[in-house]
Amino acid sequence: DGGITQSPKYLFRKEGQNVTLSCEQNLNHDAMYWYRQDPGQGLRLIYYSQIVNDFQKGDIAEGYSVSREKKESFPLTVTSAQKNPTAFYLCASKVTPYSNQPQHFGDGTRLSIL
Amino acid sequence: AQTVTQSQPEMSVQEAETVTLSCTYDTSESNYYLFWYKQPPSRQMILVIRQEAYKQQNATENRFSVNFQKAAKSFSLKISDSQLGDTAMYFCAFIFSGAGSYQLTFGKGTKLSVIP
Repeated sequence: DGGITQSPKYLFRKEGQNVTLSCEQNLNHDAMYWYRQDPGQGLRLIYYSQIVNDFQKGDIAEGYSVSREKKESFPLTVTSAQKNPTAFYLCASKVTPYSNQPQHFGDGTRLSIL
Repeated sequence: AQTVTQSQPEMSVQEAETVTLSCTYDTSESNYYLFWYKQPPSRQMILVIRQEAYKQQNATENRFSVNFQKAAKSFSLKISDSQLGDTAMYFCAFIFSGAGSYQLTFGKGTKLSVIP
């Protein structure tokens, strides 16, 4: 079945450590997105990519980095510069970036600080 | 900037009853889409229903329907015959094509509990 796979489901980070969240899709979608979800805050856009080897900052990109070396993969690195990384992270994709079609979401990764 | 407001942080409804979740948005755009997403305790985001702004007819998907009032910038979700599986966070979202954006803007969500 086509879909978006996020791993791991739970992740723990030590102080000063970088961690990488995986997002893989087999939907052949061009556009991919990373959101952060905090209680009472809804979803906020971290980074997005409209095509391979291209990505753009969203509303809260500070302390995060991404890469898009393959169409199906869009990993998110939470760096030590992100001082409050505890949150639920959702990856999404869309057929093309230039459309009003809905986004498809993965099951998310919960990141916590040790 | 576009904003989406969900004024009801939490709501509850008896099983089999009807409930309406509110959503208002602010935009100067004329061509846009609106969505309701459901996030059950499993945390997966599921598309419930969508509405194109240029369509006057309200969208309906089985027990879910919307009341789209374009002039009032209101987009409420009505759930009929509520079921226990409807217990979830519900997010209203907005997308428009201004400045090549096509980015989703989400409200902060309404937590709905269906009571047996």
